Amino acid sequence: GAVVSQHPSRVICKSGTSVKIECRSLDFQATTMFWYRQFPKQSLMLMATSNEGSKATYEQGVEKDKFLINHASLTLSTLTVTSAHPEDSSFYICSVTVGDYEQYFGPGTRLTVT
Amino acid sequence: AQSVTQLGSHVSVSEGALVLLRCNYSSSVPPYLFWYVQYPNQGLQLLLKYTSAATLVKGINGFEAEFKKSETSFHLTKPSAHMSDAAEYFCAVSERDDKIIFGKGTRLHILP
Repeated sequence: GAVVSQHPSRVICKSGTSVKIECRSLDFQATTMFWYRQFPKQSLMLMATSNEGSKATYEQGVEKDKFLINHASLTLSTLTVTSAHPEDSSFYICSVTVGDYEQYFGPGTRLTVT
Repeated sequence: AQSVTQLGSHVSVSEGALVLLRCNYSSSVPPYLFWYVQYPNQGLQLLLKYTSAATLVKGINGFEAEFKKSETSFHLTKPSAHMSDAAEYFCAVSERDDKIIFGKGTRLHILP
């Protein structure tokens, strides 16, 4: 069964609004979760590492004030895209590390900003 | 810093033929290596992983990959392609610090 879930699976929002995406670890506690972004027909790009109880670590070039990450519990991390614009339209995927640095990925969230 | 190069953004093989997807990596330490598959509008599913045990790794759906340190390669193979294998495949490397770096992906097309 699924190890990681994401909600919503698809979301359409208007430019200038904010959107929250949830990532849940279903079967175990996760102190670390990862957020990726995938443009059409491209690879996954790591955006940030979400750390339970502390600030997220952002990759170079990712605006932390635009992509707010909250990892308030061991089973939930949220990514909020603030003041979304059409160029933020993308496929957002979260993952959780299990065991030997193996990552389980969520099913992804398709964000479309109109 | 680690990196991954996947040769060929698109690969086409006939159903029943050998599948070979190429991956070369760069890492400053002995790496962990992974192959993931992604179907349209879905997340990634782990096919197999190398974590410094056996160099020939067997995964799900009949796939396997061989770690060759001398060639810094981790090519993915399957003896006989099936239509359901059509998907995007990503090779990835980790320097054992939780962070995974993905290749650009190879789209596998299966010809009837």
